[in-house]
Amino acid sequence: EVQLVESEGGLIQPGGSLRLSCAASGFTVRSNYMSWVRQAPGKGLEWVSLIYSSGNTYYADSAKGRFTISRDNSKNTVYLQMNSLRAEDTAVYYCARVSGILGNYFESWGQGTLVTVSS
Amino acid sequence: EIVMTQSPATLSVSPGERATLSCRASQSVSSHLAWHQQKPGQAPRLLIYGASTRATGIPARFSGSGSGTEFTLTISSLQSEDFAVYYCQQYNSWPTFGQGTKLEIK
Repeated sequence: EVQLVESEGGLIQPGGSLRLSCAASGFTVRSNYMSWVRQAPGKGLEWVSLIYSSGNTYYADSAKGRFTISRDNSKNTVYLQMNSLRAEDTAVYYCARVSGILGNYFESWGQGTLVTVSS
Repeated sequence: EIVMTQSPATLSVSPGERATLSCRASQSVSSHLAWHQQKPGQAPRLLIYGASTRATGIPARFSGSGSGTEFTLTISSLQSEDFAVYYCQQYNSWPTFGQGTKLEIK
């Protein structure tokens, strides 16, 4: 069974940093495409970042230069390092497994973790 | 960026009736269109990909159609567990989502 478990988010001051992790089970992250998607309170879904099985990484414009997606194959875990956080980054962050072969749609989702950026 | 527009924003339907949700893309996405369901306080769940293929475990009452810029999600006979928010997502280029349609009990 595919499972994705995100680490706990938290309350971060503007300009601060936070690293989210996503522990996967039931499949290997190194052989799959993985992604982060976020949802601001009461709003819709927004793609944030993607890492291919090749290791290539991609970002939405809102995340470029501030966020870094990575993975640790030995821990079967994907990470999202978020720097220079802003109030508008406040959201529930979901880790998702991406189909890849048939296109970048989100096959499986983690339960999500809330990140609040506020002073 | 491809903009996805869903209509209506809210749809009120009685249990047992049919619901039809629409999604329009600002440019052609071929058949690279997925539908996700999200219940309050829960993560989204994939329903449909490739515009019309049901994901594993999704009941046959859910069906998707369309190609290019116009897509439809139909739920043939609404069950109580189907009342939720539905998002379309294109993946012809970097993923983008519609703003969602809230399906509520009439």
